[in-house]
Amino acid sequence: EAGVAQSPRYKIIEKRQSVAFWCNPISGHATLYWYQQILGQGPKLLIQFQNNGVVDDSQLPKDRFSAERLKGVDSTLKIQPAKLEDSAVYLCASSLAMGFEQYFGPGTRLTVT
Amino acid sequence: AQTVTQSQPEMSVQEAETVTLSCTYDTSESDYYLFWYKQPPSRQMILVIRQEAYKQQNATENRFSVNFQKAAKSFSLKISDSQLGDAAMYFCAYRMDSSYKLIFGSGTRLLVRP
Repeated sequence: EAGVAQSPRYKIIEKRQSVAFWCNPISGHATLYWYQQILGQGPKLLIQFQNNGVVDDSQLPKDRFSAERLKGVDSTLKIQPAKLEDSAVYLCASSLAMGFEQYFGPGTRLTVT
Repeated sequence: AQTVTQSQPEMSVQEAETVTLSCTYDTSESDYYLFWYKQPPSRQMILVIRQEAYKQQNATENRFSVNFQKAAKSFSLKISDSQLGDAAMYFCAYRMDSSYKLIFGSGTRLLVRP
């Protein structure tokens, strides 16, 4: 069984630029999560999808971050414009349904200069 | 608000020895789940062990076991017969039964000396 795929693995951008991350969950997984992991901290949930609907986006900075999961499969997370404090690893995870075990992807390391 | 605290930024263990990683949490809920995740340098989080709060028996997975003290809100991870491959960041996490959001601690880096 293929795991959660994410791309790119690394991204370096200048502040005020935009960036997008892509996530492909495990086949058949209805729930998808995006986490932000700042260096030295544990992951923090940004947004959770159930199929193509948003379940929780309470910690998503909506003035600059957006995410979508149009067909209930792949998802993209966008930052526009980026700030220095957005430098972090962005982890995508998926689960069969809400409350089931979450499987994580390898993450995208973003550096904003 | 629920919080998870890992007070040991780094721990070191000799190969084949036993090490215990500490975790405390704060919640007013009675039904919840606790987890330990391993994050190697590849960054991929891997579930190590899970504990349901309603279960009194401590969870065990091969060399990994927990000491769950509900009244003290403590959830420590014991790794027996440590192996070089156990070297990684370990995160304690909490989830309410009524929510699906994982709340993570700040992590403990485990070093394994050959």
